[in-house]
Amino acid sequence: NAGVTQTPKFQVLKTGQSMTLQCAQDMNHEYMSWYRQDPGMGLRLIHYSVGAGITDQGEVPNGYNVSRSTTEDFPLRLLSAAPSQTSVYFCASWTLPSNYGYTFGSGTRLTVV
Amino acid sequence: AQKVTQAQTEISVVEKEDVTLDCVYETRDTTYYLFWYKQPPSGELVFLIRRNSFDEQNEISGRYSWNFQKSTSSFNFTITASQVVDSAVYFCALSEANSGAGSYQLTFGKGTKLSVIP
Repeated sequence: NAGVTQTPKFQVLKTGQSMTLQCAQDMNHEYMSWYRQDPGMGLRLIHYSVGAGITDQGEVPNGYNVSRSTTEDFPLRLLSAAPSQTSVYFCASWTLPSNYGYTFGSGTRLTVV
Repeated sequence: AQKVTQAQTEISVVEKEDVTLDCVYETRDTTYYLFWYKQPPSGELVFLIRRNSFDEQNEISGRYSWNFQKSTSSFNFTITASQVVDSAVYFCALSEANSGAGSYQLTFGKGTKLSVIP
């Protein structure tokens, strides 16, 4: 029972490069989200999905794209990385009622140079 | 809009002292959930507790206790007899149940870094 799996754990990108952060869950949860964590800022919502084929923007969506073609996967795409996207990224999944807390992945530490 | 405030940025205590981490929230929803998460130096997010808005009972789990007061919109977290292993960043978070498609999204406070000194 893996829960939420994020890959890679660490990544260094050059400005302008693109990449995809992977997130997969095996709990059949309808809801998935991406957060970024920056020092002193807590975690902020980037994008979320309420089901396969349905996504929406969170608090800080600029520079990121998402899609949800299956229930299990929710990749986060950086089309042209910028140093401001240096952060730790967390993927989460949950189901209703949200009585049990969200299940978070272990995080991806991204550095853009 | 929902908001979570953790006014304490950093706290240092000596081992075995008690420490309370403050959390104040804002929401227009009558149904919501409050959470506390622990983030140790290793970086993962560890779920500690969830409380729904209809349950104001305080909760105790070992050395941890939580005080939920709707009258002051607070959900404070107390560690009794702190230990070095309690050193971490602690986040308070809120999710609303009735905010449309965005329901149940977590809004986090900025976190409180707790250092327990041996």
